[in-house]
Amino acid sequence: GQNIDQPTEMTATEGAIVQINCTYQTSGFNGLFWYQQHAGEAPTFLSYNVLDGLEEKGRFSSFLSRSKGYSYLLLKELQMKDSASYLCAVRDSNYQLIWGAGTKLIIKP
Amino acid sequence: ETGVTQTPRHLVMGMTNKKSLKCEQHLGHNAMYWYKQSAKKPLELMFVYNFKEQTENNSVPSRFSPECPNSSHLFLHLHTLQPEDSALYLCASSQETSGSASGANVLTFGAGSRLTVL
Repeated sequence: GQNIDQPTEMTATEGAIVQINCTYQTSGFNGLFWYQQHAGEAPTFLSYNVLDGLEEKGRFSSFLSRSKGYSYLLLKELQMKDSASYLCAVRDSNYQLIWGAGTKLIIKP
Repeated sequence: ETGVTQTPRHLVMGMTNKKSLKCEQHLGHNAMYWYKQSAKKPLELMFVYNFKEQTENNSVPSRFSPECPNSSHLFLHLHTLQPEDSALYLCASSQETSGSASGANVLTFGAGSRLTVL
């Protein structure tokens, strides 16, 4: 079967750095996505990786290793507004999106 | 208005009621989706419409009935639901249904309709 694994919950301190991991086993690979979802709000697109390596967007970076079936989302200079759930999704060989259950990130002052 | 708008935001219904969820997108996208989001579970794809034609139905019970009158509007009709159907129902849209190696085909989501079945 197809599976996406990510930690259920993480806690970090304001101003610090946190890395949210995502591992996947899918039938083929056509890209990996990270979405952010604040409580009661719509998931919003953060990043898309289709080639190995690091993609940086301001305070957020996303890394992909296709050979290891592994990605991480790196958040720097954490702010209280970064408290949210972070969803990892992989597009398989049929272009279907396989979703992880999400990681709830709690930021403490 | 821009983006993807869902109404109502909250809905409480009995098991014998009939209600509908509405989704509207102002992005000019060709594909629209219904997802179910339950606590601590992955998003579950329910239905996909491409150019207002249904292209996927992921073994969803018939008590959920989608309708797509045009490429900007999507409905989810609800009838004789069960308590386990209580969840957040998310609508999303994208430029097309299938991506390509060179295109992300990012989903834009609405804020969801929180459904409680008593």
